[in-house]
Amino acid sequence: DAGVIQSPRHEVTEMGQEVTLRCKPISGHNSLFWYRQTMMRGLELLIYFNNNVPIDDSGMPEDRFSAKMPNASFSTLKIQPSEPRDSAVYFCASSSPSTGTLETQYFGPGTRLLVL
Amino acid sequence: KQEVTQIPAALSVPEGENLVLNCSFTDSAIYNLQWFRQDPGKGLTSLLLIQSSQREQTSGRLNASLDKSSGRSTLYIAASQPGDSATYLCAVRTNSKLTFGKGITLSVRP
Repeated sequence: DAGVIQSPRHEVTEMGQEVTLRCKPISGHNSLFWYRQTMMRGLELLIYFNNNVPIDDSGMPEDRFSAKMPNASFSTLKIQPSEPRDSAVYFCASSSPSTGTLETQYFGPGTRLLVL
Repeated sequence: KQEVTQIPAALSVPEGENLVLNCSFTDSAIYNLQWFRQDPGKGLTSLLLIQSSQREQTSGRLNASLDKSSGRSTLYIAASQPGDSATYLCAVRTNSKLTFGKGITLSVRP
């Protein structure tokens, strides 16, 4: 398996522009998580989906952020309009609950976003 | 709200040394605790997972312990090597959510 795939790996944009981050989870996994990592705040959960349905979006910072999962093999995280404080590394992770409390999340390589 | 703390933020040791990385959490109602490794510019890789009913897990030179009642976990690395240099993150699971510490950046000097 190729693991969790994220694109792009790096994104540089100007303030006010729309940014779309993409994620392909591991085949067969039915939970998907979006995280943001910064030096100041560490790794924070933004939103997670179970069976393509958003379960908890309490970590989404504000209305400028939105996430979708149209099918089991694809998710997007969109920032519109982007601001310099959105600069961070965004990770996608997926998991399968079939192992119960042994469930572990598998992380993608991340998208490094810089908003100028 | 669950909070996970890892102190110190960075650690530098000579090769061959045995070392312990600490993690503490505020809410003991957890399903499990995991230790992850993150290399620069990379994603996270799970090292060890300890269920709430367990006291420790071992994998090779790594041993993780869990004291749920006191809200503490340690990651023991035996005979450290330069290849162990990375950031180690502790995460606790409540329901389906993981709460991460900020990590300890380990540097093992040859």
